[in-house]
Amino acid sequence: GAVVSQHPSRVICKSGTSVKIECRSLDFQATTMFWYRQFPKQSLMLMATSNEGSKATYEQGVEKDKFLINHASLTLSTLTVTSAHPEDSSFYICSARGQGLRTSTDTQYFGPGTRLTVL
Amino acid sequence: GDSVTQMEGPVTLSEEAFLTINCTYTATGYPSLFWYVQYPGEGLQLLLKATKADDKGSNKGFEATYRKETTSFHLEKGSVQVSDSAVYFCALSEEPNTGNQFYFGTGTSLTVIP
Repeated sequence: GAVVSQHPSRVICKSGTSVKIECRSLDFQATTMFWYRQFPKQSLMLMATSNEGSKATYEQGVEKDKFLINHASLTLSTLTVTSAHPEDSSFYICSARGQGLRTSTDTQYFGPGTRLTVL
Repeated sequence: GDSVTQMEGPVTLSEEAFLTINCTYTATGYPSLFWYVQYPGEGLQLLLKATKADDKGSNKGFEATYRKETTSFHLEKGSVQVSDSAVYFCALSEEPNTGNQFYFGTGTSLTVIP
C-alpha cells in the first residue's frame, strides 16, 4: 500500500524553541495532507488540512501562527510548532491522500507519528 | 453533522475468541467507511474499508459490512491472536472524491491474552 513517512519520530525540545516535523508521501503524489494531534488514549483531533501549493485550512481552536503548515510540493508537508510550550507535548500524526499506483483517492494514508516532548 | 460512535473499551479477549467492535455512524450523504488499526507507538494503518451499502471490507481475517439500514459498520474477526492487540478506529469520509476530512470514533483498545 501507500507509504507515508514522518521525521523525526521523537523529538525533545526546550520551552520556547521551534520544532519542525516533516511528512512525506513516498510512492504517491499527495494532493491533500492532514495534520492530527493525539492525546494519550484518545482519538485523533484534526488540526488542519493542506492542499499542495495553497494555504492550510485550520480547524476551529487551532492557532495558525503557532502551528505553521507548509505543503510546498506533492510529496512533502511540514508542521512547525513555534515557541513550543509543555502543553504542546503530544503525538502528532500526518496523513495524505492522492494519486498513485497503490492508492485510492478516498482513503487517507497515515504516517507513523511524531512524539513531541517540550521540557 | 457527521459523526461516528464506537463501542467503548477496553476489550480483553482470550486468544482464538470471537471479536466484535460496534460502530455506528451519522451522515448526511453517502459516506465511505473505514477501520484503522493503531499499534502502540505507531500511526494508523488502514485495515479495511467499504464505499457503498452492503459492501463488505475484509483484511487479515477482519471483516465489516456497510449496513445502511442500521447505519453500522461493525468490525468482526472469528479468531483473534495476541498480535491483534491494538487500538481500532472506525471512521467515515463524507465526500470521498473531494478528499474531505475524516470523522473518527474514539477508538477501542483490544488486548488479546494467550
